[in-house]
Amino acid sequence: RKEVEQDPGPFNVPEGATVAFNCTYSNSASQSFFWYRQDCRKEPKLLMSVYSSGNEDGRFTAQLNRASQYISLLIRDSKLSDSATYLCADRYNFNKFYFGSGTKLNVKP
Amino acid sequence: GAGVSQSPSNKVTEKGKDVELRCDPISGHTALYWYRQRLGQGLEFLIYFQGNSAPDKSGLPSDRFSAERTGESVSTLTIQRTQQEDSAVYLCALVAVTGELFFGEGSRLTVL
Repeated sequence: RKEVEQDPGPFNVPEGATVAFNCTYSNSASQSFFWYRQDCRKEPKLLMSVYSSGNEDGRFTAQLNRASQYISLLIRDSKLSDSATYLCADRYNFNKFYFGSGTKLNVKP
Repeated sequence: GAGVSQSPSNKVTEKGKDVELRCDPISGHTALYWYRQRLGQGLEFLIYFQGNSAPDKSGLPSDRFSAERTGESVSTLTIQRTQQEDSAVYLCALVAVTGELFFGEGSRLTVL
């Protein structure tokens, strides 16, 4: 079983839609969680960290559910420019970072 | 990405050749990671360096892969006798003061 799992998608949504991704993690001792965005043929870039109390940044909201061991990313009012692959990651035992395989989002006009 | 320079950005090689990939981090980052990303796949951990401690090599896929780093300086990832399945983007990453990883732009390796 992978440490971090995501639905690969693709999620095809119209502009303006709200879309949510979930990501499950297997290690209950994981300490920190992150969402990254990766554009085609580019390196992953941090979108936001996920705090126990949740985290909101403009149209993006990330939440952590430790009881069920998943993190979520909600994107409101989707833009064409949101089209990308979204990777979740967790940090375990201080120096281990595990990444999901990514969820592909296509926002269409 | 800013703070992590990788070279070459693209490398095409023939099967069986050795390749060396380089990661040049900004100073002050003791932790350095190498990841591999095959086309359409997720990030696969290869190796982790932390200061002068013994590196965590648990992700290296075979003994054809090796990496070195001295202190907080440049790291090199060497792949010997390359195979077609080694074709991937090799990403170097550092840990930010806020705790997340940030990545270099990667070295895209194509083995013919």
